[in-house]
Amino acid sequence: AQKVTQAQTEISVVEKEDVTLDCVYETRDTTYYLFWYKQPPSGELVFLIRRNSFDEQNEISGRYSWNFQKSTSSFNFTITASQVVDSAVYFCALSEGGSEKLVFGKGTKLTVNP
Amino acid sequence: DAMVIQNPRYQVTQFGKPVTLSCSQTLNHNVMYWYQQKSSQAPKLLFHYYDKDFNNEADTPDNFQSRRPNTSFCFLDIRSPGLGDAAMYLCATSTGRRNQETQYFGPGTRLLVL
Repeated sequence: AQKVTQAQTEISVVEKEDVTLDCVYETRDTTYYLFWYKQPPSGELVFLIRRNSFDEQNEISGRYSWNFQKSTSSFNFTITASQVVDSAVYFCALSEGGSEKLVFGKGTKLTVNP
Repeated sequence: DAMVIQNPRYQVTQFGKPVTLSCSQTLNHNVMYWYQQKSSQAPKLLFHYYDKDFNNEADTPDNFQSRRPNTSFCFLDIRSPGLGDAAMYLCATSTGRRNQETQYFGPGTRLLVL
């Protein structure tokens, strides 16, 4: 069965701090996709990144970076030099190959204080 | 340019009064999804359409129905809203093609039941 665990319910940091959001997943499929979405207070889920199970390369996009490690079934998300605008709920999600469905973690609420 | 559009953004209805939420997309995606998201929870999939093929989640109450008259539009009908149905309702789309499973979300409709 598929499962996504985001153990951190809430994180609070001060602006310019680095912060890492953890995501651990479970799946029996060898082909799967991992996602991160951002949900600001306005409510819209904003797609951030998609990674397939065959690509373990880490990715950097501006202040955002993602560390995918199959050995520990983790797909962690780091924000460098956090800003107030990064305040949101962040969801990690999993989709098994061939499935149209997403399994979400419970989300991590990040608050960046000025 | 908005790709997944939901109207209205806020909807107030009365207990037991039928209500319809709408979603449209300009992406020409095959799959359209409806999620329910209650406060501080992850989105919960209600059902999805793969083209005209309707797929209901096992735990979706009968009170919730959906229609997809064409590729671009999908509707969520709540036949007799209860107080427990107050939530954010999110529409999403994806191509449905293998290896391209990213879901793109609309801004959501926040439903209030009085």
